[in-house]
Amino acid sequence: DTAVSQTPKYLVTQMGNDKSIKCEQNLGHDTMYWYKQDSKKFLKIMFSYNNKELIINETVPNRFSPKSPDKAHLNLHINSLELGDSAVYFCASSHLLTGDEQYFGPGTRLTVT
Amino acid sequence: QQQVKQSPQSLIVQKGGISIINCAYENTAFDYFPWYQQFPGKGPALLIAIRPDVSEKKEGRFTISFNKSAKQFSLHIMDSQPGDSATYFCAASPSNAGGTSYGKLTFGQGTILTVHP
Repeated sequence: DTAVSQTPKYLVTQMGNDKSIKCEQNLGHDTMYWYKQDSKKFLKIMFSYNNKELIINETVPNRFSPKSPDKAHLNLHINSLELGDSAVYFCASSHLLTGDEQYFGPGTRLTVT
Repeated sequence: QQQVKQSPQSLIVQKGGISIINCAYENTAFDYFPWYQQFPGKGPALLIAIRPDVSEKKEGRFTISFNKSAKQFSLHIMDSQPGDSATYFCAASPSNAGGTSYGKLTFGQGTILTVHP
């Protein structure tokens, strides 16, 4: 039973296109996150949502727009894709107030050509 | 500004040896220090975590040592096994208690550990 799932696993697209990555968690957590892992494996938080409300936005270009339809889902939409957006994007979830452990999804490898 | 510095970048250890990875932080508001393990093609998974009220925490072969005055913490893997070969990340955040940190983890740069059989 998958705890945090992401689709798609791989995404190859051209510069200028718009794409979305979907994330779902079945852990009953109230907080979800998006992280970007670059080619050097550096992990950096992008966004955090708690109960569908944005609580962390780490100076990410506004081409990136997270959307949370409910607390079990957090999608990432990216407009006008650039070469520098190529990375692995991870979704994660946790309990905000009762636990620190964040559970990560398997990642989506985005390649912009 | 890199708030959590991790070293070494890569580490090769023989089976049965001890692997040691070090991290240093700058932000004195940090009070939660987890280590994550990541296998190729997978997401990071929590390995072990510590809070500054203790100087050491051990879980099986994995131990975190914490030095609050030096603002340093380290991961020790005893009796390292080939299955431990992975990338290890230290991280830090202010406390989640009361929701003040909102789970904002700052990660180190990662250490690629290779354990030779």
